[in-house]
Amino acid sequence: DAGVTQSPTHLIKTRGQHVTLRCSPISGHKSVSWYQQVLGQGPQFIFQYYEKEERGRGNFPDRFSARQFPNYSSELNVNALLLGDSALYLCASSLPSGSSYNEQFFGPGTRLTVL
Amino acid sequence: QQPVQSPQAVILREGEDAVINCSSSKALYSVHWYRQKHGEAPVFLMILLKGGEQKGHDKISASFNEKKQQSSLYLTASQLSYSGTYFCGTEIRDYKLSFGAGTTVTVRA
Repeated sequence: DAGVTQSPTHLIKTRGQHVTLRCSPISGHKSVSWYQQVLGQGPQFIFQYYEKEERGRGNFPDRFSARQFPNYSSELNVNALLLGDSALYLCASSLPSGSSYNEQFFGPGTRLTVL
Repeated sequence: QQPVQSPQAVILREGEDAVINCSSSKALYSVHWYRQKHGEAPVFLMILLKGGEQKGHDKISASFNEKKQQSSLYLTASQLSYSGTYFCGTEIRDYKLSFGAGTTVTVRA
């Protein structure tokens, strides 16, 4: 079975530009979460989507937005890029259950560099 | 708020044991443990839920003290493959998983 896929693998942008990152969850998974991981730190929660609805949002500015499509794939958009947005962006999918959280299956990530 | 992990780093020889701790100031619903190797994505190890339910890999053991909002991950008879950075994630049933800064484990032959 295919795991979580993300595209692109690497991306270089300049300050002020906009970026779109894409994620395809594992087949059958309906929940997608996005995380930002700066070098040497743990992943920081950005969003969780379930059935195309935002179910949780972390402490990130409004420049960050996301959406989930009917096929459960997702996009993360970041506007007006800052140098501090340089990081590894991870997408994780999971099966929703009675618990508010289930095990997350992470994709390989998109390495974003802002110059 | 981020959970606090300790120690920051640990070096082991094959076969030795280690404990990684994770604590939170908030009342937790669940604690999650993941391992990330350099250049790779985090990999699920275990979930511990309030009330005692656990789910994870057979070779991994962990505990969750609900009164103290603390969790511990036990690395027993460590192998070279145990090397990596271990993250605990905590959640208060708000769909936001907060990860700690990580504990780097190095296992040497």
